[in-house]
Amino acid sequence: QVQLVQSGAEVKRPGASVKVSCKASGYTFTTYAFHWVRQAPGQRLEWMGWINPGNGNTRYSQKFQGRVTITRDTPASTVYMELSSLRSEDTAVYFCARAPNRGDLDYWGQGTLVTVSS
Amino acid sequence: SYDLTQPPSVSVSPGQTASITCSGDKLGETYVSWYQQRPGQSPVEVIYQDTKRPSGIPERFSGSNSGNTATLTISGTQAMDEADYYCQAWDSNTVVFGGGTKLTVL
Repeated sequence: QVQLVQSGAEVKRPGASVKVSCKASGYTFTTYAFHWVRQAPGQRLEWMGWINPGNGNTRYSQKFQGRVTITRDTPASTVYMELSSLRSEDTAVYFCARAPNRGDLDYWGQGTLVTVSS
Repeated sequence: SYDLTQPPSVSVSPGQTASITCSGDKLGETYVSWYQQRPGQSPVEVIYQDTKRPSGIPERFSGSNSGNTATLTISGTQAMDEADYYCQAWDSNTVVFGGGTKLTVL
């Protein structure tokens, strides 16, 4: 069965970077794109960007352009999201999700809480 | 940027029909997906490509999309359907989410 398993919670200081991983299993890793979505406490879902694991092509939300980098490790069936220059407003749960090339996000990881605090 | 507008909250009595709308410019010209999110959990897809239900999603969930409005309909609403619901679409090769609707079953 399809599973997306994310890395554990992180606590970071303002100005630092965080790298969250998402390991896929149960299907051919390169077949579907991956998206990253975050949710601040009590707030809406916010799209950050996506990667085509087959060729490594990425697309980022304008809001995060320059601060976010999404990469993949194909042999490890893992995608990564790195967010730099963290500020308190980046405190959120970060989700990875699989996109089966029909416009939707069909499987989601369990979420990773990133807390930015001095 | 493209905006998707949802009502902040909808209330429904058990067994009745709940309708949650999602509005955006020419939304009917693109596919819309819907996600259910219970507190502390990851989103779960309940509708994709406007009207299709993923495997395992009850038949009481249905969707439509025309003009500027997409609608998620839950027939015979149950207490377990109480959750936040988000619509999602694509615009200019980026993903957009609605603001979310809290469905209360009372």
